[in-house]
Amino acid sequence: DQQVKQNSPSLSVQEGRISILNCDYTNSMFDYFLWYKKYPAEGPTFLISISSIKDKNEDGRFTVFLNKSAKHLSLHIVPSQPGDSAVYFCAAANFGNEKLTFGTGTRLTIIP
Amino acid sequence: GAGVSQSPSNKVTEKGKDVELRCDPISGHTALYWYRQSLGQGLEFLIYFQGNSAPDKSGLPSDRFSAERTGGSVSTLTIQRTQQEDSAVYLCASSPRQGRSYGYTFGSGTRLTVV
Repeated sequence: DQQVKQNSPSLSVQEGRISILNCDYTNSMFDYFLWYKKYPAEGPTFLISISSIKDKNEDGRFTVFLNKSAKHLSLHIVPSQPGDSAVYFCAAANFGNEKLTFGTGTRLTIIP
Repeated sequence: GAGVSQSPSNKVTEKGKDVELRCDPISGHTALYWYRQSLGQGLEFLIYFQGNSAPDKSGLPSDRFSAERTGGSVSTLTIQRTQQEDSAVYLCASSPRQGRSYGYTFGSGTRLTVV
C-alpha cells in the first residue's frame, strides 16, 4: 500500500520557467512532510520541509505548499535552473515515529 | 569524514550467500537509519538506531536481515541467505538528534545485486 504517491515519474521544464512537482498521501496521521533531491550515484539530500500546521514554506527558489484537506503537497521551483535536474522524492512522517515514508520520485529535467 | 560513508559502493553476490554492508555516520550524530530503494520504488525504511536505545526494527522485511551499531557509531547491515528480491540500493543516513530532525544526511548507498 503506497501511502505517499508521486504520480508523475518524469517532468521536463524549460530553464527559467516554474517547475511544479506533486505528491499525494493517504495517511491522515502524517503531520510532517519533506522533499529530497537526488543526483545519480549520490544519496538524497534534504531540500525543504513543512509541518501540517502550515500551508506554505518558502526557501529561496523553493516553495512547498500543503493542502491537508486534499492530502496533497507540491514543490515549486522558480526560476528553474539546469542544476535542478535530479530526482525529487516526497516524504512524510507522523508524530512519534522516526521513520519517513517516501514516494517513488519524479525525475525533473531542466531544458536549457 | 565530512559525510556519511558507506561501503562497498557496489556488491554482486550469489543467491544464498551472506552479505555485510557498512555505514560510517557523521561524527557526533546519534541517530542512524537504514533505508533501501528497489528498482522503481521509493525509499523503504528498514531500521533506526538512536543512542543507546533499543533500535526500531519494524521495517526489516524478514529475519534474514539484521543490523547492529557498535559504540554508537559504525553500523553494519547483514543480509543472510540473500535472495534476488534483496537486490536494491541500501542507503544509510545519520542525524544529530532525535525528534523532528528528518532532514538527515544520506550516504551514497551500496548497490546490491544478487545473481
